[in-house]
Amino acid sequence: DAMVIQNPRYQVTQFGKPVTLSCSQTLNHNVMYWYQQKSSQAPKLLFHYYDKDFNNEADTPDNFQSRRPNTSFCFLDIRSPGLGDAAMYLCATSREYRISTYEQYFGPGTRLTVT
Amino acid sequence: KQEVTQIPAALSVPEGENLVLNCSFTDSAIYNLQWFRQDPGKGLTSLLLIQSSQREQTSGRLNASLDKSSGRSTLYIAASQPGDSATYLCAPFTGGGNKLTFGTGTQLKVEL
Repeated sequence: DAMVIQNPRYQVTQFGKPVTLSCSQTLNHNVMYWYQQKSSQAPKLLFHYYDKDFNNEADTPDNFQSRRPNTSFCFLDIRSPGLGDAAMYLCATSREYRISTYEQYFGPGTRLTVT
Repeated sequence: KQEVTQIPAALSVPEGENLVLNCSFTDSAIYNLQWFRQDPGKGLTSLLLIQSSQREQTSGRLNASLDKSSGRSTLYIAASQPGDSATYLCAPFTGGGNKLTFGTGTQLKVEL
């Protein structure tokens, strides 16, 4: 029944140790997004994929990378996590891009802790 | 740059009350607007999507309105229940794509 799945739900990593978060979807949507949400803040878009085309937000740090090997899966890689990267990471999908009649569907999120 | 403000930041009401959550945005050139619910430590659940051509959208006890010209949207919750306790976020679509800009939300607590 789950439509957007994120693994793991909780991730603890050490300062500077690379970490990968996973998102998968059963909706066959063309667009996948990654958001960062820090405590008591609004979700902030990091980047998105339209099919295989990667679109980075201008203020997303280089420390954050993403991969989309196929329609169903998208990964968020943090190359050298800092304490400031501790946050909830949210994956979302939508059917199409630039057609605003389609809503975004979110996964349950991955809570990242950096020690 | 789109900025979204939600008032109030927090709200506590007794069960059964009707309530209104407010959302304002600075750039009225939006396509649509989506309202979400977020439970503590969880992801976002989509509640309503209002098209730019619509003024209202209803789902059960929820009714959302959109006034693009004044840069405002409201979410009306009828007969509130303890299970409605959550943070409610509004997010207009801007920038010519499915780009959502979020407000910081209204944290709602409905007490027995």
